Amino acid sequence: AQKVTQAQTEISVVEKEDVTLDCVYETRDTTYYLFWYKQPPSGELVFLIRRNSFDEQNEISGRYSWNFQKSTSSFNFTITASQVVDSAVYFCALPSGNTPLVFGKGTRLSVIA
Amino acid sequence: AAGVIQSPRHLIKEKRETATLKCYPIPRHDTVYWYQQGPGQDPQFLISFYEKMQSDKGSIPDRFSAQQFSDYHSELNMSSLELGDSALYFCASSLNPGQGGTNEKLFFGSGTQLSVL
Repeated sequence: AQKVTQAQTEISVVEKEDVTLDCVYETRDTTYYLFWYKQPPSGELVFLIRRNSFDEQNEISGRYSWNFQKSTSSFNFTITASQVVDSAVYFCALPSGNTPLVFGKGTRLSVIA
Repeated sequence: AAGVIQSPRHLIKEKRETATLKCYPIPRHDTVYWYQQGPGQDPQFLISFYEKMQSDKGSIPDRFSAQQFSDYHSELNMSSLELGDSALYFCASSLNPGQGGTNEKLFFGSGTQLSVL
């Protein structure tokens, strides 16, 4: 079965620092998608990105960027110039068989002013 | 843009009671998913429906059942509630993923926080 590992349980940074959240995945599929979701303190799950395994180009969206490395089965997420509003739990996920999304354990990011 | 609507936002029940959670998907989305997230845990897949038929099943207890109605909204029915059922229950919706899993973006509601006392 597919598996997602987020080794960092909690990260704390000072505002304006850059921070990278790691995601390592396991899959037997040759084609697959990877996802990141954000869960702020209010509790909702917010979709951030979906990435196709065919496309290994890095993606940037404002202060967010994603580094997909198929060779190391990693899909890391970097926040540049972090802000207090970035404080949340971030989940990496991928589909697994009949399960729409299997989530990692999440990384809790605290950005301190 | 319209999002996934879940009700109620919070629910408090006693042990052995029943509960019904409702989910209204994003307009034109035909697939709904239910997830359970325990305190400090990652969300766990329970069940999904496509065009009113159950499409995939995860770790949903036998005490729980769900269905999708003709207007695509879904309800999760929970009976004989246990303390361990206390969790945040998410509904998500997406467009037509077909059978057997999905690579579609799932859009989640704000969740229903269920507390069983």
